[in-house]
Amino acid sequence: QVQLQQSGPGLVKPSQTLSLTCAISGDSVSSNSGTWNWIRQSPSRGLEWLGRTYYRSKWYNEYALSVKSRITINPDTSKNQFSLQLSSVTPEDTAVYYCASGHFGSGWGSWGQGTLVTVSS
Amino acid sequence: QSVLTQPPSVSGAPGQRVTISCTGSNSNIGAGHDVHWYQQLPGIAPKLLIYGNNNRPSGVPDRFSGSKSGTSASLAITGLQAEDEADYYCQSYDSSLSGGIFGGGTTLTVL
Repeated sequence: QVQLQQSGPGLVKPSQTLSLTCAISGDSVSSNSGTWNWIRQSPSRGLEWLGRTYYRSKWYNEYALSVKSRITINPDTSKNQFSLQLSSVTPEDTAVYYCASGHFGSGWGSWGQGTLVTVSS
Repeated sequence: QSVLTQPPSVSGAPGQRVTISCTGSNSNIGAGHDVHWYQQLPGIAPKLLIYGNNNRPSGVPDRFSGSKSGTSASLAITGLQAEDEADYYCQSYDSSLSGGIFGGGTTLTVL
């Protein structure tokens, strides 16, 4: 059973970079079947998939068009975790951020606990 | 506005059957991409309820079922229980957007 544990600050200033980490237990970020995702939820935007990283003989990253110019998702094989960086944040980026894992065609069966990130000066 | 359209709310009495619809387009559900359903209780991360259109993860009661046809999908809940009160979201993949997409969510009220 995969468990995901999120960490990172809950307050970020406008124009700065939001950074969160998701530690994995019960699976490997380098597995050839898993996908490692970031999703956010806000009252105004609902649930929004932000992007994912996965390994299939090489690393792949895919990002939502809405944040593609500002987002980076990186795997960290030494710590078995993956991270989210979202640059140039505005108050519109205020949301609960989740990491989630799954397999192609099987949905996201494991979720982190969620982190409320507020963008405010 | 979400790419997948769900009714904002549905309700039913205990023991009844309710369905939640999820309408997409030819670039997502109609393109053959799988539909997944999630249940979310207040303040908690979404929980996978149905995957691959009509499959239940281990531990999900068989009162929950999913179906898909054309550009739409549906979640059915039979034998409604008070504990089923929650928000429900459909999710799929969109070829035009090259990414995951969600419905706007449906709040289920058990009367």
